[in-house]
Amino acid sequence: GQQVMQIPQYQHVQEGEDFTTYCNSSTTLSNIQWYKQRPGGHPVFLIQLVKSGEVKKQKRLTFQFGEAKKNSSLHITATQTTDVGTYFCAGRQTGANNLFFGTGTRLTVIP
Amino acid sequence: GAVVSQHPSRVICKSGTSVKIECRSLDFQATTMFWYRQFPKQSLMLMATSNEGSKATYEQGVEKDKFLINHASLTLSTLTVTSAHPEDSSFYICSASDRERGQPQHFGDGTRLSIL
Repeated sequence: GQQVMQIPQYQHVQEGEDFTTYCNSSTTLSNIQWYKQRPGGHPVFLIQLVKSGEVKKQKRLTFQFGEAKKNSSLHITATQTTDVGTYFCAGRQTGANNLFFGTGTRLTVIP
Repeated sequence: GAVVSQHPSRVICKSGTSVKIECRSLDFQATTMFWYRQFPKQSLMLMATSNEGSKATYEQGVEKDKFLINHASLTLSTLTVTSAHPEDSSFYICSASDRERGQPQHFGDGTRLSIL
């Protein structure tokens, strides 16, 4: 079955440092989505990438979809304490309606 | 924006009890809703896809007789955990998206189920 892995599993950074999480799928994806989940909360949608090689930015967050549409990355520049949480990628196979979540990267920002 | 409401937010009950969780899309129609389970510090695991007016599609390893899903309308899906046991304790989250395929999913607030 489809597997979506993320690395690293955990990341501790000093406030102001950059952070990157990588997402890799065992199969080609029609699109990939990124979510953020705060402790005790539910996942909140951040962005969707559809095109091969697509890059999107949201303020300090940069999202990239690989050329082969099997991997993606999320980069945060100059982290802030409000960035704390677990970041999940979620991929959908071509023709499928269901979404498979990556293993997640838990980010801790040390003030 | 789109909102998905999930109820109840927390349930604590005795072993052997059946628990029903509701998931409603408040301002859009959802022909498909999804049910996930999340154990502490782990990722969301898709349990089943709930299809309006037809049988749910269960992921491998998920017992359909244990986790009953009903999607009777375009705005409501229910998950019933039958004869719950302590190992069923988990965080259950539903999600839904607008009819158009590929739209981002909107999640309910989740239900924390604790079986004593």
